[in-house]
Amino acid sequence: DIVMTQSPDSLAVSLGERATINCKSSQSVLYSSNNKNYLAWYQQKPGQPLKLLIYGASIRESGVPDRFSGSGSGTDFTLTISSLQVEDVALYYCQQYYSFPRTFGQGTRVEIK
Amino acid sequence: DVQLVESGGGLVQPGGSLRLSCAASGFTFSIYSMNWVRQTPGKGLEWLSYITGNSNSIQYADSVRGRFTISRDNAKNSLYLQLSSLRAEDTAVYYCATSNGQLDYWGQGTLVTVSS
Repeated sequence: DIVMTQSPDSLAVSLGERATINCKSSQSVLYSSNNKNYLAWYQQKPGQPLKLLIYGASIRESGVPDRFSGSGSGTDFTLTISSLQVEDVALYYCQQYYSFPRTFGQGTRVEIK
Repeated sequence: DVQLVESGGGLVQPGGSLRLSCAASGFTFSIYSMNWVRQTPGKGLEWLSYITGNSNSIQYADSVRGRFTISRDNAKNSLYLQLSSLRAEDTAVYYCATSNGQLDYWGQGTLVTVSS
């Protein structure tokens, strides 16, 4: 199984400042035949369904604000919130869909400092 | 709008069974692969099972293989998860989610509690 490890477990960022979450996979999730990374990021807020933010490591889902961006390739990935807003307080998860079983990171809690 | 509504959760004794349902609307259900994922405070998000639109391909996590069964009824726009031989560690919120590789849309979840 591919193990996904996020860091940090939690972070507190001032409004308008940058938040950065890292995700590392125990093996590459880059599919060589199409050069695509099978890595997604999700946001979870209390009382709401989980929301897909980023797929293919860097492709923003339709409707997701452009302050959210994803980067990385192979085994190391980053989710960046360029200017933290109140509504971004949430849990964030990375997930690989390169192989079964699909696996998630343990989650990162983002709060306002 | 895409909507996924899970139901069927509840309190069940260890060793018991339960059938979860996921009612889908707002998209062409029959062409989408679907997943079940659960969440516990201790273990976070755990993917459980996957089924293609025509049910030709099914995958399970090792933790539930042989105990849980995924199925779907495209005529009813519904996804199911039959849970059996339930254990205390199966206590969780269970979500259904559409799949295009990544998990595009999620339901709100249904709580399953396994306890005597």
